[in-house]
Amino acid sequence: GEQVEQLPSILRVQEGSSASINCTYENSASNYFPWYKQEPGENPKLIIDIRSNMERKQTQGLIVLLDKKAKRFSLHITDTQPGDSAMYFCAASENSNNRIFFGDGTQLVVKP
Amino acid sequence: DAGVTQTPRHEVAEKGQTIILKCEPVSGHNDLFWYRQTKIQGLELLSYFRSKSLMEDGGAFKDRFKAEMLNSSFSTLKIQPTEPKDSAVYLCASSLWGGNDTEVFFGKGTRLTVV
Repeated sequence: GEQVEQLPSILRVQEGSSASINCTYENSASNYFPWYKQEPGENPKLIIDIRSNMERKQTQGLIVLLDKKAKRFSLHITDTQPGDSAMYFCAASENSNNRIFFGDGTQLVVKP
Repeated sequence: DAGVTQTPRHEVAEKGQTIILKCEPVSGHNDLFWYRQTKIQGLELLSYFRSKSLMEDGGAFKDRFKAEMLNSSFSTLKIQPTEPKDSAVYLCASSLWGGNDTEVFFGKGTRLTVV
């Protein structure tokens, strides 16, 4: 299987600053790493993902980094806004028999 | 919008009752997950089906929690008997295993309160 550890569990930042969430995984065969955002009262939704053939991916103020050697991946939100306040989940999976595995989530609070 | 549909959205049960939560996955998806979400424990996997076969049955939840998938477009999660500690949001999710798009789609969840 797989085990995904996510830190921190709570992250408070000032509006305009950056926020970083870090995840580690155990299965070296994992090759797909999505990130989900869950706003209050809503379902988690995919916001960005990265596959193992990449080390970095960026879209709309989000940057994901993947370090396969260290089995570590991270989400960086630049210039945070109050609308970024939400629960964020990282996940890992491999394209074979295994299912997707989620981290425990990070509650991001962006203070105005 | 043919996303994951969960009913009911809210459920209040008395301790000891039996409740059944329902989920309709995205049409064509063959992986289905039931999760329990709490602030303390995060996302806990309750059950995982692939092509209607039960692949994982969360160990800690076996005694009172039973998920079923009688057909590819419908799944239920039964909690019997309910206890106050079961109060949480129950999320159903689905994805397409074996395809190019591996995105997991979540339902809006059922918020269960056991009194």
